[in-house]
Amino acid sequence: AQSVTQPDIHITVSEGASLELRCNYSYGATPYLFWYVQSPGQGLQLLLKYFSGDTLVQGIKGFEAEFKRSQSSFNLRKPSVHWSDAAEYFCAVGGDDYKLSFGAGTTVTVRA
Amino acid sequence: DAGVIQSPRHEVTEMGQEVTLRCKPISGHNSLFWYRQTMMRGLELLIYFNNNVPIDDSGMPEDRFSAKMPNASFSTLKIQPSEPRDSAVYFCASRPVGQGVAPAFFGQGTRLTVV
Repeated sequence: AQSVTQPDIHITVSEGASLELRCNYSYGATPYLFWYVQSPGQGLQLLLKYFSGDTLVQGIKGFEAEFKRSQSSFNLRKPSVHWSDAAEYFCAVGGDDYKLSFGAGTTVTVRA
Repeated sequence: DAGVIQSPRHEVTEMGQEVTLRCKPISGHNSLFWYRQTMMRGLELLIYFNNNVPIDDSGMPEDRFSAKMPNASFSTLKIQPSEPRDSAVYFCASRPVGQGVAPAFFGQGTRLTVV
């Protein structure tokens, strides 16, 4: 069975500070991993994806994520957050079939 | 491309009424998903279509829920009769299958309130 754990329900960071969101997955084969962001009242927007190759992937809005197979992790990072990064972030795992499993999400609050 | 289009954006209905949610996937995407999002249960996959055919409806909560995809550019999710516990945000997503593992692209959702 595939599953995703996002250990942090809520994170508060100061504007300009760095951000790291944790994601741990369980998947029986080579996983395909995604990070999505959801702003209030909006749908989920794809930030980045990992299929294979370089384990450090770059996404939109200055985000990056690193795949670590040994730790079954795919943590999301941003060096310097902006107030507009306040949102909910979802990690997802899938494979060669259609199913995407989502984590419970991490809400990010940015303080001035 | 306009992205995945859902309508209505908001729906308020009385318990017992029929509710129909609509989705237009991205042109060329041959897979379509319906998800439900609640505070308690997070994002739940309700049903998945591939080439207009329902492949997996194991997430549909009960017989009150039904989904159709009459053609490649349109899908509906119907709840009849609706109940207050159906209140949630319903998302439609599409992706192009057959191009490796492509991500799903989401619509903006329909916020359903059943009173």
